[in-house]
Amino acid sequence: KQEVTQIPAALSVPEGENLVLNCSFTDSAIYNLQWFRQDPGKGLTSLLLIQSSQREQTSGRLNASLDKSSGRSTLYIAASQPGDSATYLCAVRPTTDSWGKFQFGAGTQVVVTP
Amino acid sequence: SQTIHQWPATLVQPVGSPLSLECTVEGTSNPNLYWYRQAAGRGLQLLFYSVGIGQISSEVPQNLSASRPQDRQFILSSKKLLLSDSGFYLCAWSVLETSGYNEQFFGPGTRLTVL
Repeated sequence: KQEVTQIPAALSVPEGENLVLNCSFTDSAIYNLQWFRQDPGKGLTSLLLIQSSQREQTSGRLNASLDKSSGRSTLYIAASQPGDSATYLCAVRPTTDSWGKFQFGAGTQVVVTP
Repeated sequence: SQTIHQWPATLVQPVGSPLSLECTVEGTSNPNLYWYRQAAGRGLQLLFYSVGIGQISSEVPQNLSASRPQDRQFILSSKKLLLSDSGFYLCAWSVLETSGYNEQFFGPGTRLTVL
């Protein structure tokens, strides 16, 4: 069964520093990987989706890479701001799934201090 | 553009009472719909998913049930709530493409507290 791990569980950085968030998965047979942001008490906001054929995706200050062979994805957030404080979750959709079901990691809670 | 609504936003219910949470999606047709629960300090647990009207699949045995009476409406129910049903309930939608591409979009969630 696919397992998704996000380490560390929590991270604190000073404003302006680059953020590096890690996601690992045990089975490389995936359709795609999606990164989300969750603010306290809110739903999940989709940040980036990387298809299995892609190696990276970029949106503004965000860049996500995918290395299927090693079962890893990294989300980079450049020049962090206090507004980036949130929990970041990654999720993968395995190729064994026919219904669009994703397997989620537990998330990394990020605090950006002014 | 597509939007997803959930209500109520917050609910406090006594043990043994019934439950009905509603989710509706706008701006898309024939979406796949999903109910998740997020317990405090834990990850997302998929409860139910639906690929069409009246088609419901359950991921875990539990005290809850789901229904899809209309294409863009998904309802989570219980006849008698348990303390362990407390949590943050999230509805999500996606559209699957033949390439395997699909992106999930989430609603704002419902915070349920069972006392």
